[in-house]
Amino acid sequence: DTEVTQTPKHLVMGMTNKKSLKCEQHMGHRAMYWYKQKAKKPPELMFVYSYEKLSINESVPSRFSPECPNSSLLNLHLHALQPEDSALYLCASSQKDSPTYEQYFGPGTRLTVT
Amino acid sequence: GESVGLHLPTLSVQEGDNSIINCAYSNSASDYFIWYKQESGKGPQFIIDIRSNMDKRQGQRVTVLLNKTVKHLSLQIAATQPGDSAVYFCAEINGEASDFGNEKLTFGTGTRLTIIP
Repeated sequence: DTEVTQTPKHLVMGMTNKKSLKCEQHMGHRAMYWYKQKAKKPPELMFVYSYEKLSINESVPSRFSPECPNSSLLNLHLHALQPEDSALYLCASSQKDSPTYEQYFGPGTRLTVT
Repeated sequence: GESVGLHLPTLSVQEGDNSIINCAYSNSASDYFIWYKQESGKGPQFIIDIRSNMDKRQGQRVTVLLNKTVKHLSLQIAATQPGDSAVYFCAEINGEASDFGNEKLTFGTGTRLTIIP
C-alpha cells in the first residue's frame, strides 16, 4: 500500500459548524503533514507531526486543530471557520531513513466554508 | 523572506517536443530541491529531486539541472506526452534536511504545462 487516503473528498460547512478532515497512510511513515492550497496557488505548510508529536505549527489560527492519534492517522479538526479558509487541504507523509525527502501526498479534501 | 519562484506561469508545448520549466530560488543555504507534478483533482506527485552537491540528475524522460551560482534550477521533460499536462512545482527543503520531521517543504508558484496534440 503506497498511498495516502483522505476523507471526505468534498466538504461544505457553515461558519458555526465543527467538522474534521481525516488522513490515513499504511506505509509506516513517521512524519505526517497538513498543507493548505488555494486555487492556482502552491501548497502551504500548516502542521508537521513527527513520531505522533507536533513538531511544526506554521502560525496557523486556532480554529484549525490537528491531531495525530497514532502513526497511521492524522486529523484536522475545524471549528468556526471563515469563508477565506475555503481551499484544498492536502495531507502528506514521509519516511525516515529514505534516500529522498519525498513527501507522499493524498488527493486532498476540497473544503468550502459558507 | 526566502522564497522559491518560477519565471513563467504557463507553458504550451507541442506533443513530442521537449519542455523546459525553470525555477529561481533565493535561499543560498538551500541544499535540497524537489520537482512535483500536480494533475487536476490530485495531490502533488514526486518527479525527481536533486541535492546541492549535484548539478544534474536524470530520471525517466526527465532531467533536473541545478545552477547554484545563479540560484536556478530547471526541469526538462523529453518527448512530452498528453499525460504530462499538469502544474509543475519546484520546492525546497528548509531547515536541517537531516532533521527528520522538522524539514519544511516550501513550494514555488508553479507552472502550468499544456501539451498541444
